[in-house]
Amino acid sequence: DADVTQTPRNRITKTGKRIMLECSQTKGHDRMYWYRQDPGLGLRLIYYSFDVKDINKGEISDGYSVSRQAQAKFSLSLESAIPNQTALYFCATSDSPGYEQYFGPGTRLTVT
Amino acid sequence: AQTVTQSQPEMSVQEAETVTLSCTYDTSENNYYLFWYKQPPSRQMILVIRQEAYKQQNATENRFSVNFQKAAKSFSLKISDSQLGDTAMYFCAFTRYGGSNYKLTFGKGTLLTVNP
Repeated sequence: DADVTQTPRNRITKTGKRIMLECSQTKGHDRMYWYRQDPGLGLRLIYYSFDVKDINKGEISDGYSVSRQAQAKFSLSLESAIPNQTALYFCATSDSPGYEQYFGPGTRLTVT
Repeated sequence: AQTVTQSQPEMSVQEAETVTLSCTYDTSENNYYLFWYKQPPSRQMILVIRQEAYKQQNATENRFSVNFQKAAKSFSLKISDSQLGDTAMYFCAFTRYGGSNYKLTFGKGTLLTVNP
């Protein structure tokens, strides 16, 4: 089984709808991250969490919110989806600073 | 703030040949880590190689090696004996070490195509 899972893998939604992307990990890591990937822009950090009580905004947090339900679960919500939030979304985890981040398989979100 | 620049949006190489992908970064930090990630068409992000800034020796992983020039803030990836499976988007990434900021900053990526 994969160490970092994301659901759903693909989603099409309409403008104005609320949507939640979920991430679960079995690696036992404290640090979890949400990134957005757009063509030509690389990956940009939306939110990150170093433990259940520590949640921080990344560089592009506007329009998004997160919830860290447990050490293993970190959800990303779009309260009112808009078309320019169409992108590939990745969840990642890490153990210690300087060590690699382990990525989930990504969620392709399309907002029409 | 740290920035990572990959100046080559696309590159191509013939199978079995060698190719070098460029990456430069800007930081005032002295302690940091650098990474190369690979993203094949499956879209999974896979770590290729990691370099600690305090180490002068360049990291190597099988056919993958880096040329780390700390003074020049340069971190290039060399792929030897290129294989069709190396076709992917490659991202250079930076993270500082120390304090409370352990985020990865990514470059915009280089799309590498290996031709048969």
